[in-house]
Amino acid sequence: TQLLEQSPQFLSIQEGENLTVYCNSSSVFSSLQWYRQEPGEGPVLLVTVVTGGEVKKLKRLTFQFGDARKDSSLHITAAQTGDTGLYLCAGDRNQGGKLIFGQGTELSVKP
Amino acid sequence: GAVVSQHPSRVICKSGTSVKIECRSLDFQATTMFWYRQFPKQSLMLMATSNEGSKATYEQGVEKDKFLINHASLTLSTLTVTSAHPEDSSFYICSARDRRLSNQPQHFGDGTRLSIL
Repeated sequence: TQLLEQSPQFLSIQEGENLTVYCNSSSVFSSLQWYRQEPGEGPVLLVTVVTGGEVKKLKRLTFQFGDARKDSSLHITAAQTGDTGLYLCAGDRNQGGKLIFGQGTELSVKP
Repeated sequence: GAVVSQHPSRVICKSGTSVKIECRSLDFQATTMFWYRQFPKQSLMLMATSNEGSKATYEQGVEKDKFLINHASLTLSTLTVTSAHPEDSSFYICSARDRRLSNQPQHFGDGTRLSIL
């Protein structure tokens, strides 16, 4: 059973398009992180959301944490080829720092 | 910012060899570090939680005798893949969190690509 369902798992779009990635769970998280990972490298933290209903923006990226702290979304506006990569959501349930990862979304932005 | 260094970045060795991977927190202390395994285009799979000065906690299905973890200091954890076989080939990643900042996110190393021939 996947505790954090991430979708879609694969996404191929044209430059300039918008996209949204979702992470859903039946569990409550104390916080949720979004990471971006390039091949052969470790994940790089994009944002942490902590408060239910919180919205954070990072340039063209908008992150939202659900009111009940069970789900989150990442929206990218006007995608660029440099946005290509693996996007991972990870939830913290206050279990000694252990993170629960979603399945990941492999994003490909074509010129 | 906080940095986690992982070494080596790539290992290629023969079947039956034991391989040690190091994970260091460079500018902070970590009582807990985490070891993950990742297959191509897939998410991270937690293997074990490394606890400074005590035994590691392994996730279900991960063989303790196969993946030995030692966390002898507050800045270093090691993962040894014993008698490695081709099916152990994977990308291994560690992470750590500053022990003084329990509400801060983990910092990840750059991973180790292990290839067993």
